[in-house]
Amino acid sequence: QKEVEQDPGPLSVPEGAIVSLNCTYSNSAFQYFMWYRQYSRKGPELLMYTYSSGNKEDGRFTAQVDKSSKYISLFIRDSQPSDSATYLCAMMGNNDMRFGAGTRLTVKP
Amino acid sequence: KAGVTQTPRYLIKTRGQQVTLSCSPISGHRSVSWYQQTPGQGLQFLFEYFSETQRNKGNFPGRFSGRQFSNSRSEMNVSTLELGDSALYLCASSLQGANTDTQYFGPGTRLTVL
Repeated sequence: QKEVEQDPGPLSVPEGAIVSLNCTYSNSAFQYFMWYRQYSRKGPELLMYTYSSGNKEDGRFTAQVDKSSKYISLFIRDSQPSDSATYLCAMMGNNDMRFGAGTRLTVKP
Repeated sequence: KAGVTQTPRYLIKTRGQQVTLSCSPISGHRSVSWYQQTPGQGLQFLFEYFSETQRNKGNFPGRFSGRQFSNSRSEMNVSTLELGDSALYLCASSLQGANTDTQYFGPGTRLTVL
């Protein structure tokens, strides 16, 4: 079993849709949870950062962490064509950092 | 303010050689982290330096090493290159560390090992 599991997609949605991206993990030592967005041929961009369990909202983006279920989510509301990118989850703890495989999202106008 | 810069942007080496990559963080940032990205393995954490000290290290062989200078610039070295080392090498800088909400990635160095 991989340390972090993320559905690679691809995921295609119409503009305005709500997008749900998810990751599961196995290492209970992870305490810091991040979501990155990566456009083609670019470096990743940190989108959301959460420490421990809970929700965090930033504009159209909401990150949720459920440590008891070892499950994290990123929701994108009112998705836009400019949201088309690969989204990677990441988690860190006990000097270890792991990434999901990335989900490729396409938002169609 | 200037972003994270990485040099060179592209590099071609042959098996057995060694390579040094450079990363200049955003001014004022004291943490530099390095990552390897490949189509097969995805994004993997190599190591993190903070104020010239290695703070965290991923699961990579000892052929991968790094250092950080007093001006926070960092270098990564890979010795005895293997074909599987072909990848995009990314560095990221932040004020306090990779586990914070301020982390900025550079454009990466594309390494090809022939």
